Amino acid sequence: GENVEQHPSTLSVQEGDSAVIKCTYSDSASNYFPWYKQELGKRPQLIIDIRSNVGEKKDQRIAVTLNKTAKHFSLHITETQPEDSAVYFCAASWHASGGSYIPTFGRGTSLIVHP
Amino acid sequence: NAGVTQTPKFQVLKTGQSMTLQCAQDMNHNSMYWYRQDPGMGLRLIYYSASEGTTDKGEVPNGYNVSRLNKREFSLRLESAAPSQTSVYFCASSVRDSVGSGNTIYFGEGSWLTVV
Repeated sequence: GENVEQHPSTLSVQEGDSAVIKCTYSDSASNYFPWYKQELGKRPQLIIDIRSNVGEKKDQRIAVTLNKTAKHFSLHITETQPEDSAVYFCAASWHASGGSYIPTFGRGTSLIVHP
Repeated sequence: NAGVTQTPKFQVLKTGQSMTLQCAQDMNHNSMYWYRQDPGMGLRLIYYSASEGTTDKGEVPNGYNVSRLNKREFSLRLESAAPSQTSVYFCASSVRDSVGSGNTIYFGEGSWLTVV
């Protein structure tokens, strides 16, 4: 299987600041790394993902970076807004039996953006 | 498209009772999953089904059984509920990978289960 570590568990920032969440993984064969946002009482939803053939990917105020050698990847949110407040999960997909790739999730980061 | 639909949304069980969580997806996805979410523990995989007719254990399968009834439906059964199974349960689905990596998974709205 795969083991994903995520830090920090809680992150508090002022509106307009940047936020960075970091994850490490154990299985060097993993090559798909999605990030999910979960608002209170809602389902997790994909916000951005990156595959191992790419080092960085951006989508407006969010970006992800991947270092396959070091087996870590990060989520960067710039110009944070109160609506960014949520729990964020990283994941790494590992190769299971039968050819499937199964996502293993980190424990989540609770991001709080203060107005 | 409704996406991934799971029922019930809320349930209270007594210790020792059994129940089945139902899940259906209308996106023609091959793979389906059941996760449980507990505070500070993230999303932990209970069982998954890579394709119709197959099921495999995840990280925390004890106390659960699953059935992949057809391509659309994947149910989770608690045979004898225990307080430790109090959790939020998410069903999810994804297109089965064909390029050597994973794909986006789509979650249902969650089922809040309390065992007293």
